[in-house]
Amino acid sequence: GAVVSQHPSRVICKSGTSVKIECRSLDFQATTMFWYRQFPKQSLMLMATSNEGSKATYEQGVEKDKFLINHASLTLSTLTVTSAHPEDSSFYICSAPSGKDTQYFGPGTRLTVL
Amino acid sequence: QKEVEQDPGPLSVPEGAIVSLNCTYSNSAFQYFMWYRQYSRKGPELLMYTYSSGNKEDGRFTAQVDKSSKYISLFIRDSQPSDSATYLCATVFQGAQKLVFGQGTRLTINP
Repeated sequence: GAVVSQHPSRVICKSGTSVKIECRSLDFQATTMFWYRQFPKQSLMLMATSNEGSKATYEQGVEKDKFLINHASLTLSTLTVTSAHPEDSSFYICSAPSGKDTQYFGPGTRLTVL
Repeated sequence: QKEVEQDPGPLSVPEGAIVSLNCTYSNSAFQYFMWYRQYSRKGPELLMYTYSSGNKEDGRFTAQVDKSSKYISLFIRDSQPSDSATYLCATVFQGAQKLVFGQGTRLTINP
């Protein structure tokens, strides 16, 4: 299947700092990517749709000024958590569609805000 | 009512057993159905993908879709401890890209 990578896999930061997470499609191009967050023992919650060349589309209740998304190229989307706080600690996962109606997920990034 | 309902478990079975995981969905417009496996602290891995009613088999895994009753299943034969993970069903409208997930079922296969 298609490969999606994320970097970093784990990050620990102090409260108030900003953290950037990268999502790359390694062997295919993706005009759209998706960002999810997942709390322990819960399912994935879609945060936003990242669109190459245009603004991201955010789900209801997700603060777009806090979670900045940039889809810089057909293989790279970044999620920046600005002024992170402990409640932002979570597992962040990206995905990219490949082929007809299938999506492939990155390995996830575990964010811990102290 | 959630668009996709899935029993979160946990489900614990002995090694070698046949495992049945199930989801129901509410919108008959959903056209494509997927099962993902997620190990702890990892991203979901696509296991099975299907778009028509009936069965699709891949090794020890069989995905079953019944569109008339809006019911999807994943069967795992000869279950192994390495199958222990959370299994997520997902569906999507034709032409759309945004997946709708079930809650996920935590499965443990005991040696």
